[in-house]
Amino acid sequence: GNSVTQMEGPVTLSEEAFLTINCTYTATGYPSLFWYVQYPGEGLQLLLKATKADDKGSNKGFEATYRKETTSFHLEKGSVQVSDSAVYFCALSDRIGNQFYFGTGTSLTVIP
Amino acid sequence: DTAVSQTPKYLVTQMGNDKSIKCEQNLGHDTMYWYKQDSKKFLKIMFSYNNKELIINETVPNRFSPKSPDKAHLNLHINSLELGDSAVYFCASSPGQGAYEQYFGPGTRLTVT
Repeated sequence: GNSVTQMEGPVTLSEEAFLTINCTYTATGYPSLFWYVQYPGEGLQLLLKATKADDKGSNKGFEATYRKETTSFHLEKGSVQVSDSAVYFCALSDRIGNQFYFGTGTSLTVIP
Repeated sequence: DTAVSQTPKYLVTQMGNDKSIKCEQNLGHDTMYWYKQDSKKFLKIMFSYNNKELIINETVPNRFSPKSPDKAHLNLHINSLELGDSAVYFCASSPGQGAYEQYFGPGTRLTVT
C-alpha cells in the first residue's frame, strides 16, 4: 500500500540555520508528492509539489526533489527565519487509488 | 476571496449534543474532504465526496454523517457528541480525484465538555 514517513519532531533551530526535514514514501504507482505547511491556528497550505521523478518543487526558499531511487522527498531551506515556525506535512497523492496520504507532521520552531 | 471556508471556527458543546460544521468552496472543485486533526497534529481523512457522491468513508463512527447538497458544499453533522470527538476538523477541496493538490479551510476547533 501507500504511505508516507516523516522524521519525528519537534525540530528547534536558530535563525539562519539550514533546515532538512526527511520524508520517504511507499507507493505502488507513480505518485505526486507535496509539502504542506500549517502555521499556528491555521489550516494547511500547499508549500510545494513535484509530480514526477527528478522534479524539484520550490517556494519561499524551500526546496524538495522527487527522488524515485531513494523514494524520498526531503524538504530543505538554506536559512530559516522565525516566521518559518510551523508544522510541516509531507504528502503523497495516488493517481490510481484516488487517495491522499499525509505524514505525521514535523513541528519546527525557529528561535532568534 | 476565501477559497475554502468553514463555520464555525470554534465550537464548544456538551457531551450528548448534536452539532454541525459547514464547509463551502468557491474554487469550482469537484472533490471535497473532511479531515480530523488530533492534539498531536495527526491528520486522519474521514470522508471524500466527488460531485456530491461519497467516495471515501474511512472507519468513522456512524454518529458522523456528511451531507453534500451541491458540489460546492460539504457539511458534517455529528450526533451524540463524545469527549473523544474533541479535535480540529478541516474541510478541503481539490479539482478532482487522484494526483491533485488539496486546498484546506481554516479549521473548526471542536471542544466537547
